[in-house]
Amino acid sequence: AQSVAQPEDQVNVAEGNPLTVKCTYSVSGNPYLFWYVQYPNRGLQFLLKYITGDNLVKGSYGFEAEFNKSQTSFHLKKPSALVSDSALYFCAVRDSGDYKLSFGAGTTVTVRA
Amino acid sequence: DAGVIQSPRHEVTEMGQEVTLRCKPISGHNSLFWYRQTMMRGLELLIYFNNNVPIDDSGMPEDRFSAKMPNASFSTLKIQPSEPRDSAVYFCASSSSGMIYEQYFGPGTRLTVT
Repeated sequence: AQSVAQPEDQVNVAEGNPLTVKCTYSVSGNPYLFWYVQYPNRGLQFLLKYITGDNLVKGSYGFEAEFNKSQTSFHLKKPSALVSDSALYFCAVRDSGDYKLSFGAGTTVTVRA
Repeated sequence: DAGVIQSPRHEVTEMGQEVTLRCKPISGHNSLFWYRQTMMRGLELLIYFNNNVPIDDSGMPEDRFSAKMPNASFSTLKIQPSEPRDSAVYFCASSSSGMIYEQYFGPGTRLTVT
């Protein structure tokens, strides 16, 4: 079985400050990890993924995420947040032997000017 | 590429009516997924197609729901008869075949059943 936990329902940061959105996962095999962002009344947009290799992956809009196998985490980060980053963020995991993508409950990010 | 296309974007219908949601995946993608999003249950996978064949429909809530993929460029999700508890946003997503590939989502159809 595979699952994802996003421990924070909401994250609030000031513009220009670092942004971190937390994600932990559970899989029986090797994890394939993904981050998506959803703006109001829009579909989910793919940000980045970890499949193998370098633990630090870079994605769209200046976002990056670090894969930590020992802590089973895949936290999303951005060094300097923008007001336009305010949205709903989803972490997702797929076990390497499964087609199904399991999504977390989502974290609402609010960046104040 | 235009991305995943869904229609209609909004649908308001009365209980008991038939509802058909449509999806055009990204050209060249072999896998297609239908999801439902609600505040209470988050994102739920309803059905997964690979090469136009339904692989897993275990997420389809009940017999009132059915999905088809007659060709590589078109899929439908039908609800008959519709009920108020079906009100949700329905997303279609597509991807290349293979576990390493990300899914690309359409803009969704917001369904309201009164």
